[in-house]
Amino acid sequence: AQRVTQPEKLLSVFKGAPVELKCNYSYSGSPELFWYVQYSRQRLQLLLRHISRESIKGFTADLNKGETSFHLKKPFAQEEDSAMYYCALRFNQAGTALIFGKGTTLSVSS
Amino acid sequence: GAGVSQSPSNKVTEKGKDVELRCDPISGHTALYWYRQSLGQGLEFLIYFQGNSAPDKSGLPSDRFSAERTGGSVSTLTIQRTQQEDSAVYLCASSRGWQGGGEQYFGPGTRLTVT
Repeated sequence: AQRVTQPEKLLSVFKGAPVELKCNYSYSGSPELFWYVQYSRQRLQLLLRHISRESIKGFTADLNKGETSFHLKKPFAQEEDSAMYYCALRFNQAGTALIFGKGTTLSVSS
Repeated sequence: GAGVSQSPSNKVTEKGKDVELRCDPISGHTALYWYRQSLGQGLEFLIYFQGNSAPDKSGLPSDRFSAERTGGSVSTLTIQRTQQEDSAVYLCASSRGWQGGGEQYFGPGTRLTVT
């Protein structure tokens, strides 16, 4: 069965420190991977997707098929990055639903 | 244009009562999804509608849960004989389907509390 695992419930870092939010998936085919973010009192929104290979708000994520991982990274965390981050997998391109991990709360303090 | 809207924003109901949650997707989006967000469980897929195709109901936790999508637009999620474990935030999302790259746009959610 398809599964997304985010091993950390909470990640606390200081401003300016590097951040890595871990995501591992289980799926035998070619998945599409996403990171969604939910800031306090805001809607869940797309942060980035692996097929775009883009950097959003300084965050990047690389799909590693060998390790079945899609870790989210940022070299220098900012306080405004504090939020809940969800890794998600879509297992085909027919617009089907996303399978989400349980989320990681990132807390950045000064 | 307006984003995905959901109503009510909060709903408190007694155990055993039925509830209806409404979702208005973004105009023109053919795909509509319902998810449930609860503490410790993260986001769970419930049901997915794509155009005129039969919905994917594989995520519905029990036969007390059902959903409709009328006219390819508004959707209603119905929970019958509510239980305390149904307490959660119910999120609706819509997308252009695969043609739009699959990005899903989420509503603000309905917080359901079963007492």
